[in-house]
Amino acid sequence: DVKVTQSSRYLVKRTGEKVFLECVQDMDHENMFWYRQDPGLGLRLIYFSYDVKMKEKGDIPEGYSVSREKKERFSLILESASTNQTSMYLCASSRSRVRETQYFGPGTRLLVL
Amino acid sequence: GENVEQHPSTLSVQEGDSAVIKCTYSDSASNYFPWYKQELGKRPQLIIDIRSNVGEKKDQRIAVTLNKTAKHFSLHITETQPEDSAVYFCAAPHTGNQFYFGTGTSLTVIP
Repeated sequence: DVKVTQSSRYLVKRTGEKVFLECVQDMDHENMFWYRQDPGLGLRLIYFSYDVKMKEKGDIPEGYSVSREKKERFSLILESASTNQTSMYLCASSRSRVRETQYFGPGTRLLVL
Repeated sequence: GENVEQHPSTLSVQEGDSAVIKCTYSDSASNYFPWYKQELGKRPQLIIDIRSNVGEKKDQRIAVTLNKTAKHFSLHITETQPEDSAVYFCAAPHTGNQFYFGTGTSLTVIP
């Protein structure tokens, strides 16, 4: 059974802080993804990675960066948090083939004050 | 995502009735269409998917149909139960390993 975990379920940060969200998967998946989920907007892709040290921008990368130093771990970084980054952040992973199920983590609800 | 449109955004049905959610996509090369269910406070989970070489797939009370000519696919839930209440997302492939997700349908099954 695939397990995707995220470092925090809830986070409260202040404007301007640097924020790290971590995601770990235990199924040796090549692909990992970061989404944000907002009411009425669905799931929007921020960044994804198809291999260690590889990253690709998604639809809304502005204000975010990512790091993938190990295959099982994919980090999302908010360099200087802003109030409009208050959201639910979901990590997901999938196997190497393009048309594959994505397995999601439980989500991190981030509040930026 | 802008390349996948999902309707309706909210849907209420009486227990035992059927529910239908429809998604349209723009990329004619798309060939894999998953549906995810997200219960309140939980993570999205795959409930059914369809590949473009078939027109319909069923799994007990849920089914997905695909019309490649019209570029739309639909989720059908029959004999709805209160535990079907959730947000449902469709998705369609984007370039590389990406998917576009629909904006979600909040389904409420009224007992």
